[in-house]
Amino acid sequence: DVKVTQSSRYLVKRTGEKVFLECVQDMDHENMFWYRQDPGLGLRLIYFSYDVKMKEKGDIPEGYSVSREKKERFSLILESASTNQTSMYLCASSLGASVYNEQFFGPGTRLTVL
Amino acid sequence: GQQLNQSPQSMFIQEGEDVSMNCTSSSIFNTWLWYKQEPGEGPVLLIALYKAGELTSNGRLTAQFGITRKDSFLNISASIPSDVGIYFCAGQVGRAGTASKLTFGTGTRLQVTL
Repeated sequence: DVKVTQSSRYLVKRTGEKVFLECVQDMDHENMFWYRQDPGLGLRLIYFSYDVKMKEKGDIPEGYSVSREKKERFSLILESASTNQTSMYLCASSLGASVYNEQFFGPGTRLTVL
Repeated sequence: GQQLNQSPQSMFIQEGEDVSMNCTSSSIFNTWLWYKQEPGEGPVLLIALYKAGELTSNGRLTAQFGITRKDSFLNISASIPSDVGIYFCAGQVGRAGTASKLTFGTGTRLQVTL
């Protein structure tokens, strides 16, 4: 079974802090994704990566950056956390870039910024 | 970025009832997907549709890819308590590469009472 794990289920940070959210997948998937989930808005893509050290902006990249130094690990970075970044963050991975490759999701990290 | 409109936003139904939900877009998608998210978990793929007009079943679930390519429908027959969760539609424009990224709907929250 594909397993996508996220470093924390719950996180509380203060405004202005630098925040790292970590995601690890154990199935040698090429692609990894970061989404945020907000009530009434569904899931929105922040950044994705098709290969190590490669990244592309999604629909809402402002205020975020990412890092993919190893194939299995994809980190989301909030350079200076703000209250409007309070949200549920979901990581996903897929085997390849084809539409036929299912995206598998982690359990999510609920981030609260005070 | 674009979002897909899902309706209804939430549903409260009795066990044994049938459920219908739909997803609409202002632009065309070439693939439609339906995901379910249970409390405390990430979304899991239920059904994938790759062709306009396609009707696909997965147990008690049936989904259809609209002829116009701008909508999709999900039906659940004879609901049971474990159907509780949030159901998301997702669309993809392209077949591979960056064009294969997902656009998610706003979600339908389903509650089933005994």
